[in-house]
Amino acid sequence: NAGVMQNPRHLVRRRGQEARLRCSPMKGHSHVYWYRQLPEEGLKFMVYLQKENIIDESGMPKERFSAEFPKEGPSILRIQQVVRGDSAAYFCASSPTHSGSSYNEQFFGPGTRLTVL
Amino acid sequence: GNSVTQMEGPVTLSEEAFLTINCTYTATGYPSLFWYVQYPGEGLQLLLKATKADDKGSNKGFEATYRKETTSFHLEKGSVQVSDSAVYFCALSRVGQGAQKLVFGQGTRLTINP
Repeated sequence: NAGVMQNPRHLVRRRGQEARLRCSPMKGHSHVYWYRQLPEEGLKFMVYLQKENIIDESGMPKERFSAEFPKEGPSILRIQQVVRGDSAAYFCASSPTHSGSSYNEQFFGPGTRLTVL
Repeated sequence: GNSVTQMEGPVTLSEEAFLTINCTYTATGYPSLFWYVQYPGEGLQLLLKATKADDKGSNKGFEATYRKETTSFHLEKGSVQVSDSAVYFCALSRVGQGAQKLVFGQGTRLTINP
């Protein structure tokens, strides 16, 4: 059973370009989470999605960032008009279910390292 | 709000030394607490967890006890190995609505020399 897959592992963009980060959850997992890790900082929650639904996007910047998890295919984190401050490691995690208020273990991918020149 | 503070790194030890990585938290209610480990080039893996006060999580020789009175969840191992070299993250999850959202500390890089 393959783990959480993220691609690309490394992405270089120039200021003003768009960045698309992909995440394929583990088989049987229908919940996806995105976290961002800025240099020398811990991971910060960005967004939580289920298939075709955004459940919690309280950690997403208000502009330029969007996320989706379509019925078919991977989850996509999209950053438009990237700036140097977007340079970070972006981690995706997935979990099998969400039952009310209980915590379900999140399985993390290897991350995408975004560098904005 | 909820937050996690970890011992600053990097930490360098010799093989078979005793390890402690401090972690304290601020949270409303009674969060669940976790330690994650990240080996070079890989994603984060859950190392251990504790869901209520006085619980002790343990795995691979690592232990951490949920101390409500000191709001701490320090990671310990009696005898470290070179293969334990990694970055360690302390984290909590909120109770109730938003329980799926993990709050992480900044991470502690551990290097074990032979």
